[in-house]
Amino acid sequence: DTGVSQDPRHKITKRGQNVTFRCDPISEHNRLYWYRQTLGQGPEFLTYFQNEAQLEKSRLLSDRFSAERPKGSFSTLEIQRTEQGDSAMYLCASSLARFASGSGETQYFGPGTRLLVL
Amino acid sequence: DQQVKQNSPSLSVQEGRISILNCDYTNSMFDYFLWYKKYPAEGPTFLISISSIKDKNEDGRFTVFLNKSAKHLSLHIVPSQPGDSAVYFCAASRSGSRLTFGEGTQLTVNP
Repeated sequence: DTGVSQDPRHKITKRGQNVTFRCDPISEHNRLYWYRQTLGQGPEFLTYFQNEAQLEKSRLLSDRFSAERPKGSFSTLEIQRTEQGDSAMYLCASSLARFASGSGETQYFGPGTRLLVL
Repeated sequence: DQQVKQNSPSLSVQEGRISILNCDYTNSMFDYFLWYKKYPAEGPTFLISISSIKDKNEDGRFTVFLNKSAKHLSLHIVPSQPGDSAVYFCAASRSGSRLTFGEGTQLTVNP
């Protein structure tokens, strides 16, 4: 299977601990996105990369959140000093932007990492 | 500011009939629209998309209609099957970057 993969699928942690999630995109995709979804809501954008460059960050992404895509392939999302409000499903998506504007690209999602902060 | 809205939290239809899911948006700069299907504890699965230069796109049982003047899109599923039961999200993007999602509609197809 060559879809988007995420690890771990589930994470339970205590408030104040740090957690790190990994995303492996579809291999030829140059863009990688992180979203967060809470119960009853649609996914909300957090940040995205084109190759290794982080091009946009949402204001939802507090200083406790950091994301990297060091070689333009896999990405990590770290949350420092977790809070109960960080409990959510963290989704990764990838896409292939063929044109300068990237118009018309379709994002394909991974299975998500469900985080529970106690 | 909710730029993409799905006003119906749930929809129930009989197997074999048509399912129509609706979505409204406010940002006229959106130029690409997508529908995703989501099962519990899984990531969204891409279904179908439409560019703002078109008003209809069809793929098998799924058809998406776009009415730019009304800032409205809809997804038609014909015929509906029990396996279509899931949460459906519409999403929109501007110049190919972040997706803005609606809140989702739970579709239940009854046998």
